[in-house]
Amino acid sequence: ETGVTQTPRHLVMGMTNKKSLKCEQHLGHNAMYWYKQSAKKPLELMFVYSLEERVENNSVPSRFSPECPNSSHLFLHLHTLQPEDSALYLCASSQDWGSEAFFGQGTRLTVV
Amino acid sequence: DQQVKQNSPSLSVQEGRISILNCDYTNSMFDYFLWYKKYPAEGPTFLISISSIKDKNEDGRFTVFLNKSAKHLSLHIVPSQPGDSAVYFCAASAKWSNFGNEKLTFGTGTRLTIIP
Repeated sequence: ETGVTQTPRHLVMGMTNKKSLKCEQHLGHNAMYWYKQSAKKPLELMFVYSLEERVENNSVPSRFSPECPNSSHLFLHLHTLQPEDSALYLCASSQDWGSEAFFGQGTRLTVV
Repeated sequence: DQQVKQNSPSLSVQEGRISILNCDYTNSMFDYFLWYKKYPAEGPTFLISISSIKDKNEDGRFTVFLNKSAKHLSLHIVPSQPGDSAVYFCAASAKWSNFGNEKLTFGTGTRLTIIP
């Protein structure tokens, strides 16, 4: 039990679909993150929410849209994705920015 | 430009021996370093960290060494066990700085295989 739970674990979607990834943490942390892990690349930070305020990575395409309704929940809304968006999407939380992050198990996303 | 580099994509070590995983960084503002371990189909798990005021931190079989002048850190696992087989990520941040938007920057990972 990592304290950070992601659903679904696996997702296959077409390029015209709209789907959402969900992340939940019960660690009392103030910061939550979405990371993307592609093969042979570093973990890429996509979005940070700290105290429910968003810090956006400017290189993230607008087809990815995060939502943080409260400090325990984080969503990543997906629409009109491309096949190259297929990757493992990891949610993480930490007490504060830059401190030890606790990761969920990830959602393996395949765009067909 | 990659600020955190793990130049060895893979490493194989005999069980019982020492595993040494290396990490280099380029940003001199980094002052907090972490190692994560990742099994297949799971998210990374925090393993050990070190702040720049130290040059060594030990936790059981795991020791992290930091050489600030060389901008290099290493993770030593001794003795290595089969359960240590995983991908190890090095990460860095400027935790104690006032840069505001600082975050963990990860390396590409090193796949460690412990040979029984």
